[in-house]
Amino acid sequence: AQSVTQPDIHITVSEGASLELRCNYSYGATPYLFWYVQSPGQGLQLLLKYFSGDTLVQGIKGFEAEFKRSQSSFNLRKPSVHWSDAAEYFCAVGAGGNEKLTFGTGTRLTIIP
Amino acid sequence: GAVVSQHPSWVICKSGTSVKIECRSLDFQATTMFWYRQFPKQSLMLMATSNEGSKATYEQGVEKDKFLINHASLTLSTLTVTSAHPEDSSFYICSAPNSGGGDTQYFGPGTRLTVL
Repeated sequence: AQSVTQPDIHITVSEGASLELRCNYSYGATPYLFWYVQSPGQGLQLLLKYFSGDTLVQGIKGFEAEFKRSQSSFNLRKPSVHWSDAAEYFCAVGAGGNEKLTFGTGTRLTIIP
Repeated sequence: GAVVSQHPSWVICKSGTSVKIECRSLDFQATTMFWYRQFPKQSLMLMATSNEGSKATYEQGVEKDKFLINHASLTLSTLTVTSAHPEDSSFYICSAPNSGGGDTQYFGPGTRLTVL
């Protein structure tokens, strides 16, 4: 069965500091991996996705993620966070971009001035 | 860009009543839509896959007679929570891949259901 683990429930960083959110997955085939962001009471916005090719993918809002097959990881990074980045971040895996997704438990990001 | 809407955005109902939630793809067709449920401070859990013109596929543990799904057209799927109880209170989110092509699915803004 497929699963996604986000080990960090809550992370607090200072504005301007770098950020890394961890994601580990378990999947029996080639995974399609996603990072979504959710603001309170809102739906999900796609930050970036990985299907194949270059293992370092760029997304919106200055985010990037690196796929590491050997570590079954797909960590999200941003070199300098902004106060507007405070939100809940979800990593997800699926069989394709149009397929049902399995989500991790999410990481809540708090930004301090 | 592609947009998925949900209606209502929030609803409060009495225990025992039924509530219908709509998921609509506004500028593309979706032969498949996914319904997720998100409890407070928890992740999204897939409830069912809605298929246009055929029966929905439910995930293990989801009562199909309680959560009725109808995908009547290429742009609309509805989820009806029948005989709702307080434990059904949750955030319900749908997503829709563009059946016309592409590799991205689009999420609706969610519906907050509170059952008193």
